[in-house]
Amino acid sequence: GAGVSQTPSNKVTEKGKYVELRCDPISGHTALYWYRQSLGQGPEFLIYFQGTGAADDSGLPNDRFFAVRPEGSVSTLKIQRTERGDSAMYLCASSAQTGASGNTIYFGEGSWLTVV
Amino acid sequence: AQSVAQPEDQVNVAEGNPLTVKCTYSVSGNPYLFWYVQYPNRGLQFLLKYITGDNLVKGSYGFEAEFNKSQTSFHLKKPSALVSDSALYFCAVRDPMDSSYKLIFGSGTRLLVRP
Repeated sequence: GAGVSQTPSNKVTEKGKYVELRCDPISGHTALYWYRQSLGQGPEFLIYFQGTGAADDSGLPNDRFFAVRPEGSVSTLKIQRTERGDSAMYLCASSAQTGASGNTIYFGEGSWLTVV
Repeated sequence: AQSVAQPEDQVNVAEGNPLTVKCTYSVSGNPYLFWYVQYPNRGLQFLLKYITGDNLVKGSYGFEAEFNKSQTSFHLKKPSALVSDSALYFCAVRDPMDSSYKLIFGSGTRLLVRP
């Protein structure tokens, strides 16, 4: 596609429920990132995929958060037993990782998650 | 560890006046620096980046930024502000030694351009 696509754009869920957020990166981009942005703050890194593998998951806050990218394109961020503190915008981004670290990372429009 | 500081929560400027949004960074090696803009309830849009070369970088929508290694700064500038420039601006740094190439963001600066 032309840009990074994220669905749903908005999700309201009850505390304790399971949530999946989907990301479709720019076609041909091998690197994929998930970030979380709380109200009034900058985006915080969660996880990085190079191809199918999670190469850096150092930003995942706890074991309730998990992400997959089984075929090296679409990725799903999964949150178990959601808590009200998980309410935030979840941003997905991708870049053409050719080994040059100067590549630009392009972001999607985000998925707003509200846990009530 | 790398970090970015945006010392101003908000910058106010009159339309037609020049604007500056400040950013300082801390990274162990030579940094890669980025600016993004975010409109309400939207994702981040890339504005410009500094990788190497000329310290003055030109980007989208008439914005530019100047890399200053001695002051560890990368301030965003525009000669003549527009009301439509009002948005949230984020500075970000990438450590070229970080194999994940992830960006570390500042807390953001809200730019308000009044007519």
